[in-house]
Amino acid sequence: GIQVEQSPPDLILQEGANSTLRCNFSDSVNNLQWFHQNPWGQLINLFYIPSGTKQNGRLSATTVATERYSLLYISSSQTTDSGVYFCAVGANFGNEKLTFGTGTRLTIIP
Amino acid sequence: DAGVTQSPTHLIKTRGQQVTLRCSPKSGHDTVSWYQQALGQGPQFIFQYYEEEERQRGNFPDRFSGHQFPNYSSELNVNALLLGDSALYLCASSSPGNTQYFGPGTRLTVL
Repeated sequence: GIQVEQSPPDLILQEGANSTLRCNFSDSVNNLQWFHQNPWGQLINLFYIPSGTKQNGRLSATTVATERYSLLYISSSQTTDSGVYFCAVGANFGNEKLTFGTGTRLTIIP
Repeated sequence: DAGVTQSPTHLIKTRGQQVTLRCSPKSGHDTVSWYQQALGQGPQFIFQYYEEEERQRGNFPDRFSGHQFPNYSSELNVNALLLGDSALYLCASSSPGNTQYFGPGTRLTVL
């Protein structure tokens, strides 16, 4: 099956700093999603981005499908950005199973 | 518009017992997927239900079974619980051609 690796595993930043999270995957995908898991366990959808670039406020994401990686950018970090960020991929669009990476734990210090 | 809901929120069971977890999909969604998330790990796919049938299954034993009802809600059943079944169980719903949205999860503790 598809392998998903995320880096770095842990990231500690001062409030206001910028960060880049990386997701590498081992095979072609038609589905790639980024999630933020809050301290209560809720997975919050950030982006559906199997290719290209998207932006939503302070967050943006880029996926280079031909090189099998995706990047999540967080600018001007806030303490509410703390949590675990997951990348998940699927071989088929939409409804097929998602394979998750092991996540990046982001801690923003005031 | 309510999102994906799951019940119960927390559950404590003992080894050997059986448990049933419930999920109601987001309005307009007809596909339900279940994931298990052990502490410190990413979620792992258990199975997916569509049109009341199991459409795809991950690498989980037959002790894990499920059901989907005509209103698209779903149940996850786990028999003969093991200590290693302690985890956060997440339900996700979707509709054809769209992304998956996750519920808040059920935290299961097996003693």
